[in-house]
Amino acid sequence: TQTVSQSDAHVTVFEGDSVELRCNYSYGGSIYLSWYIQHHGHGLQFLLKYYSGNPVVQGVNGFEAEFSKSDSSFHLRKASVHWSDSAVYFCAVTNNAGAKLTFGGGTRLTVRP
Amino acid sequence: AQTIHQWPVAEIKAVGSPLSLGCTIKGKSSPNLYWYWQATGGTLQQLFYSITVGQVESVVQLNLSASRPKDDQFILSTEKLLLSHSGFYLCAWSPDWVNQDTQYFGPGTRLLVL
Repeated sequence: TQTVSQSDAHVTVFEGDSVELRCNYSYGGSIYLSWYIQHHGHGLQFLLKYYSGNPVVQGVNGFEAEFSKSDSSFHLRKASVHWSDSAVYFCAVTNNAGAKLTFGGGTRLTVRP
Repeated sequence: AQTIHQWPVAEIKAVGSPLSLGCTIKGKSSPNLYWYWQATGGTLQQLFYSITVGQVESVVQLNLSASRPKDDQFILSTEKLLLSHSGFYLCAWSPDWVNQDTQYFGPGTRLLVL
């Protein structure tokens, strides 16, 4: 069974700050990790994913995430946030064998001007 | 470019009444299709997935059913709604089996059961 944990339910920063949203997973086999963003009242948008290779993956709008096998983590980062980055961010994991994408509880990011 | 459309945008229904939600994907043949449910302020729960026309797999039991009558269409339904069915229903697609970790979501349907 795969599980995904996002320890921070809410994160508030100011525009121009850097931010890191944390994601930890639990799964013993090969996994695919991804991040999605959901603006209020809308569907989710894919940001980035990791399966193998370079542990730092780049996504859209300046987001990047770093995979750490030793920490079982896949944290999302952005060097300088904009007010439009305010949204809920979901980390997700799948083993790609059962078509089930398991989402974390989400982290609501609020960017203040 | 691929587009995904969900209907209706929102529904208010009575407990015990039937429900049918729809999802269509244009611009992609033979997509993998998914239904998710999201409680208000909550995470997403995958309900069903379909790899091909006529074939639907259930992930969790919530007194809902799904069908894929056409390659580009995915329907979620129930004959009797429960209060617990309230929430946000999202349809998603992925290009194929290999890339099913990359899913593209529709705008969602908000359902309120009273």
